[in-house]
Amino acid sequence: SAVISQKPSRDICQRGTSLTIQCQVDSQVTMMFWYRQQPGQSLTLIATANQGSEATYESGFVIDKFPISRPNLTFSTLTVSNMSPEDSSIYLCSVRGGSGIFYNEQFFGPGTRLTVL
Amino acid sequence: SQQGEEDPQALSIQEGENATMNCSYKTSINNLQWYRQNSGRGLVHLILIRSNEREKHSGRLRVTLDTSKKSSSLLITASRAADTASYFCATGANSKLTFGKGITLSVRP
Repeated sequence: SAVISQKPSRDICQRGTSLTIQCQVDSQVTMMFWYRQQPGQSLTLIATANQGSEATYESGFVIDKFPISRPNLTFSTLTVSNMSPEDSSIYLCSVRGGSGIFYNEQFFGPGTRLTVL
Repeated sequence: SQQGEEDPQALSIQEGENATMNCSYKTSINNLQWYRQNSGRGLVHLILIRSNEREKHSGRLRVTLDTSKKSSSLLITASRAADTASYFCATGANSKLTFGKGITLSVRP
């Protein structure tokens, strides 16, 4: 399986500020995704991070609020902009499709726990 | 919207017993994956079963898939206290994974 790291692992932020979360994979992968898990809830897909082009956002998520970059096949960032307490969640990077990985198996990073005051 | 619905929502068993968790879904899928999450941390991939498979094993895990009933089950045999976690099923279709609400499993020592 792919080894995925995320930075920071947790943060406490003030409302109105922005936080950028980094996701690094130890090998090249075809697809990278960002998910949100609100307290006590399941996971919701925010967007698919596309290498070299704009991310594909799911319904209810917009680029101005969650800008995403993916400059290469091993790295992506998610920014949570103009934060409010409702953005307090765990944000998870996920990957699929790489060397030695069955194509449809999808793996997750350790998550970034964000608290907005 | 969430595709998978796990059942039960919470399960408490004694160490050594077997734990069975069920997942139902509504639309056609390419595959179904089970994950474990400990205390709000990242998800650990447990097993993937493809739509043309009926049963799969991995260590103490056994997963079944019945596409006619649109349901899957995860069996953990000889449970351990370390199996205490939340378990999620996720259905794969159209290149996306959609998660259920999860099952909280507590294994009492």
